[in-house]
Amino acid sequence: NAGVTQTPKFQVLKTGQSMTLQCAQDMNHNSMYWYRQDPGMGLRLIYYSASEGTTDKGEVPNGYNVSRLNKREFSLRLESAAPSQTSVYFCASSGVGLNQPQHFGDGTRLSIL
Amino acid sequence: EDQVTQSPEALRLQEGESSSLNCSYTVSGLRGLFWYRQDPGKGPEFLFTLYSAGEEKEKERLKATLTKKESFLHITAPKPEDSATYLCAVQAWAGGSYIPTFGRGTSLIVHP
Repeated sequence: NAGVTQTPKFQVLKTGQSMTLQCAQDMNHNSMYWYRQDPGMGLRLIYYSASEGTTDKGEVPNGYNVSRLNKREFSLRLESAAPSQTSVYFCASSGVGLNQPQHFGDGTRLSIL
Repeated sequence: EDQVTQSPEALRLQEGESSSLNCSYTVSGLRGLFWYRQDPGKGPEFLFTLYSAGEEKEKERLKATLTKKESFLHITAPKPEDSATYLCAVQAWAGGSYIPTFGRGTSLIVHP
């Protein structure tokens, strides 16, 4: 009964390094999302994938890329990390149709020095 | 631009002291309002979905209500285990799919 699984849970990077955050869901959901959460800013949408094979930009996409690998997996890549990208990153998924709630992973805590 | 505002930002209550959290929104084409609970170090956990004005949902000590411009999360006789951040999100059409916009949350602390 895993739900949404994110890896890694913690990561420290140096400025300019790259990395990929992984997300997998086992609920057969069509839609997947990546958010960042910063103190006082709430959850902000980075990218989303309404269905397998599609991705769209959210509110704060600059500096990030995503890949919807298959229906289960949605990854977030930082090509050249910057200190401003220090944050907690959450992946979420939701089913098809109106009023489907999102199910969240427990986050990746990323620090960029 | 769609906006979701939650108030207060922080709330401290004594155990048993009932209160309400507010979520006001300006969204075109609202298709659902959600309440989530977030514990420290965890992802948000779904509580309620409200769709139409006048609708109410209840779960244990929590009751959510919806009007055309705002939603309230009423907490009756809270316990320390109700301490968490409560997030509100509204879902609106974004020209291809329904996308949620989150408020910044209300941090609730219930003292024993």
